[in-house]
Amino acid sequence: AQSVTQPDIHITVSEGASLELRCNYSYGATPYLFWYVQSPGQGLQLLLKYFSGDTLVQGIKGFEAEFKRSQSSFNLRKPSVHWSDAAEYFCAVGDMEYGNKLVFGAGTILRVKS
Amino acid sequence: DGGITQSPKYLFRKEGQNVTLSCEQNLNHDAMYWYRQDPGQGLRLIYYSQIVNDFQKGDIAEGYSVSREKKESFPLTVTSAQKNPTAFYLCASSRSRTSLGLGIAEQFFGPGTRLTVL
Repeated sequence: AQSVTQPDIHITVSEGASLELRCNYSYGATPYLFWYVQSPGQGLQLLLKYFSGDTLVQGIKGFEAEFKRSQSSFNLRKPSVHWSDAAEYFCAVGDMEYGNKLVFGAGTILRVKS
Repeated sequence: DGGITQSPKYLFRKEGQNVTLSCEQNLNHDAMYWYRQDPGQGLRLIYYSQIVNDFQKGDIAEGYSVSREKKESFPLTVTSAQKNPTAFYLCASSRSRTSLGLGIAEQFFGPGTRLTVL
C-alpha cells in the first residue's frame, strides 16, 4: 500500500526567508502527487499537483514543488515566506487502484516569525 | 459560486447519541469523500462514493455510516458505536476517474465540521 511521510511536524522560518517542506512517498507506479494547505479551523486548499511531464511544478501563492523519482520525494518550496503562509501543509499521493482515493501525510505546521 | 458546504460548523453530542453531518456540493462532481482529522495524524478516509447509490468503506469506517441518494449530497452519520468521535470532519468531492480517463482528479474540500462529544 502506498504511504506518505512528512518528516517535519513543525517548521519555523523568518518572514522573507526561503522554505522547503519535505515529502516522501511510497508507491509502486507513477505517482499522482498533491500539496494542500490548511488554515486553522478551515478546509484544505490545493496548492499544486504533479501528474506527469516537467518535474518542477508551479502552484498558487508562489509555491513550487519538484518531483524526484530517484528519491521518492515531492518537496514543496517557496523563495520568500510571508506571514500569511503560516498554516498546516499536507502532501498526498493518489491511489489509482482505488479510484480517486488520496493518501495524506501527517502534515507540517509552518510558523512564520517576524 | 460553486463549492462544497458542510453543516453545522460546530456540533456537540452527548455520549450514546447518533449525529448526522451534512455535506452538499454544487460542482457537479461524481465522487465524494469523508475524512476525519485528528492533530498530528493528517486526514484519514472514512467513506467514499464514486457514484450515486454506491459507496465504499475507507480506512476507518467503523462506527460511521453514509448514504448517497443524490449526486449533490453525502451525509455522514456518527453512531454511538464510534468510540472516540471528537474530531474535525472534512468532506470533499472530485470528478470521477472515469471521466478523466487516466489519472487522479484533485479533491475539493468543504470548510469542515468540528464534532465534540460531551
